Amino acid sequence: GDSVTQMEGPVTLSEEAFLTINCTYTATGYPSLFWYVQYPGEGLQLLLKATKADDKGSNKGFEATYRKETTSFHLEKGSVQVSDSAVYFCALSGAAGSARQLTFGSGTQLTVLP
Amino acid sequence: EAGVTQFPSHSVIEKGQTVTLRCDPISGHDNLYWYRRVMGKEIKFLLHFVKESKQDESGMPNNRFLAERTGGTYSTLKVQPAELEDSGVYFCASSQDWTQATQYFGPGTRLLVL
Repeated sequence: GDSVTQMEGPVTLSEEAFLTINCTYTATGYPSLFWYVQYPGEGLQLLLKATKADDKGSNKGFEATYRKETTSFHLEKGSVQVSDSAVYFCALSGAAGSARQLTFGSGTQLTVLP
Repeated sequence: EAGVTQFPSHSVIEKGQTVTLRCDPISGHDNLYWYRRVMGKEIKFLLHFVKESKQDESGMPNNRFLAERTGGTYSTLKVQPAELEDSGVYFCASSQDWTQATQYFGPGTRLLVL
């Protein structure tokens, strides 16, 4: 079945550091890929998505590129802020016409220190 | 436009009691999903409604869990009787139609079974 493997945390960075959170997946066909974020005390928010190979999703300075050849969707940000402290989840959804429920990675806790 | 709402935000009950969680999806969204995150592990799919019909309930852990979506609007998830291992965060999400992979999540209900 589908699965998502996400870099284990927790990750602690200083403000303005570069962030990478690795995510690889196993799925049949061409899934859609997502990054969700959960800020302290809040629910899940969609951060960015990509629906086909070589697409780049971006939002709030975060980026991730759908790499079919390496089955990866790594999350990056050039300069993190304290406000980016949150739990980040990589997820996939089956291709159109197949099951659409999300399969999540285990989440990565990010703490950014001032 | 109002987002996905969930009630209650927190619930603390004793083992053997019954709890009912409610989810109101975004207006016009036919697809409604339930997920849960137990003990800080990955978020797991429970079930998927299309309007009032259960499209996929393969993730429901056992027959102590009952989900309904009468009239195709809001949904309830009842746990009866609750066990200690049911503690976790229960998320609800909705999407507009079958072709839309993007799901919008509610804030979650934090359930603690003592």
